[in-house]
Amino acid sequence: ETGVTQSPTHLIKTRGQQVTLRCSSQSGHNTVSWYQQALGQGPQFIFQYYREEENGRGNFPPRFSGLQFPNYSSELNVNALELDDSALYLCASSWAGPYNEQFFGPGTRLTVL
Amino acid sequence: QKEVEQNSGPLSVPEGAIASLNCTYSDRGSQSFFWYRQYSGKSPELIMFIYSNGDKEDGRFTAQLNKASQYVSLLIRDSQPSDSATYLCAVRVGGEYGNKLVFGAGTILRVKS
Repeated sequence: ETGVTQSPTHLIKTRGQQVTLRCSSQSGHNTVSWYQQALGQGPQFIFQYYREEENGRGNFPPRFSGLQFPNYSSELNVNALELDDSALYLCASSWAGPYNEQFFGPGTRLTVL
Repeated sequence: QKEVEQNSGPLSVPEGAIASLNCTYSDRGSQSFFWYRQYSGKSPELIMFIYSNGDKEDGRFTAQLNKASQYVSLLIRDSQPSDSATYLCAVRVGGEYGNKLVFGAGTILRVKS
């Protein structure tokens, strides 16, 4: 069984730039959720994708957007980067259902200068 | 009131002791509850989940749920130095098929040998 993978591991960008983060879900899973984790905080829900459509969104501005592909992999795009976007970005995959156990990938550490 | 609250710690216990981690939540409709362990610089790892009132045991870990009191706890028996980590409580919100996990800020556990 293949676990959740994310790329890249680390990324440094400057304010105003755009970034794309990628996630491959665990085999057998059809749902991908994205979270942002600032230092010393718990992960904050950004959005979830199911059947290639957004299936719920947290309190994040529209410059955070995403995609899910037919193989269930996903991308998170962030436009007009701000300093406060510096964080660990986590992708979690799950099987859609009443329990929704989510398994996290290793994360992408984004630094915005 | 935060949706999920945890004592930030650090909670220090001697090796071999029982560590008790607590979490309260505000959404009475929540059905699913999760405990994640996060080592410094790593992503969260799912260690326990519980859906029904009462206790659920898995090896050295026991999760306890009291929906009437909106309270979830995690007990770690025979604590080891390798258990030293941040423990995140997560609650699935949005009803039976809710798609969002809300996390507490985490409790830092230190097991001293």
